[in-house]
Amino acid sequence: AQSVTQPDIHITVSEGASLELRCNYSYGATPYLFWYVQSPGQGLQLLLKYFSGDTLVQGIKGFEAEFKRSQSSFNLRKPSVHWSDAAEYFCAVGALSNYGGSQGNLIFGKGTKLSVKP
Amino acid sequence: DGGITQSPKYLFRKEGQNVTLSCEQNLNHDAMYWYRQDPGQGLRLIYYSQIVNDFQKGDIAEGYSVSREKKESFPLTVTSAQKNPTAFYLCASSTGRDSHQPQHFGDGTRLSIL
Repeated sequence: AQSVTQPDIHITVSEGASLELRCNYSYGATPYLFWYVQSPGQGLQLLLKYFSGDTLVQGIKGFEAEFKRSQSSFNLRKPSVHWSDAAEYFCAVGALSNYGGSQGNLIFGKGTKLSVKP
Repeated sequence: DGGITQSPKYLFRKEGQNVTLSCEQNLNHDAMYWYRQDPGQGLRLIYYSQIVNDFQKGDIAEGYSVSREKKESFPLTVTSAQKNPTAFYLCASSTGRDSHQPQHFGDGTRLSIL
């Protein structure tokens, strides 16, 4: 079965420090991968997506992610964290039907909450 | 501006009562989704619809019902059969049925039990 694992429930970094949020997926084919961010009490905003091609993907707000097929990973990075980046981050993969075709919905990890120290 | 509107932002349910959460989109998207979010659980799919007058059960459909009579609307009813309805409910939409289409989210409805 398809699944997404975010190993870190909560991460705290200092403002200005670099950030890496981990995401591992279980998938039977080339995955469609996404990172979303959620501020408290709000909906989710798309940060970036990977479908194919260049394995290093640039997103909004200075975020990037690297797809590594050999490690089944799609880790999110930012060189210098700002206090406004404090939020919860979700990794997601596009779901496949039992027949291998696109099902349309996404499978989400359980999220990583990011706190930023001044 | 185009987007997804969920209402109300906060909702309270009495025992044995059905409640309906509204989701409206003006993005002209074909597909719409309902997720339930509980602390530490991520998002779990309740129902989704890829076209008007059609919808499919997600992973946790028991105790919920939906309709899709119009392209822009996908209301979710939380029935009295849902014994633990307290959660944050998120509606989303996307342009089509392919999983490479990113989903756009509303700001959610928080449902609590009185």
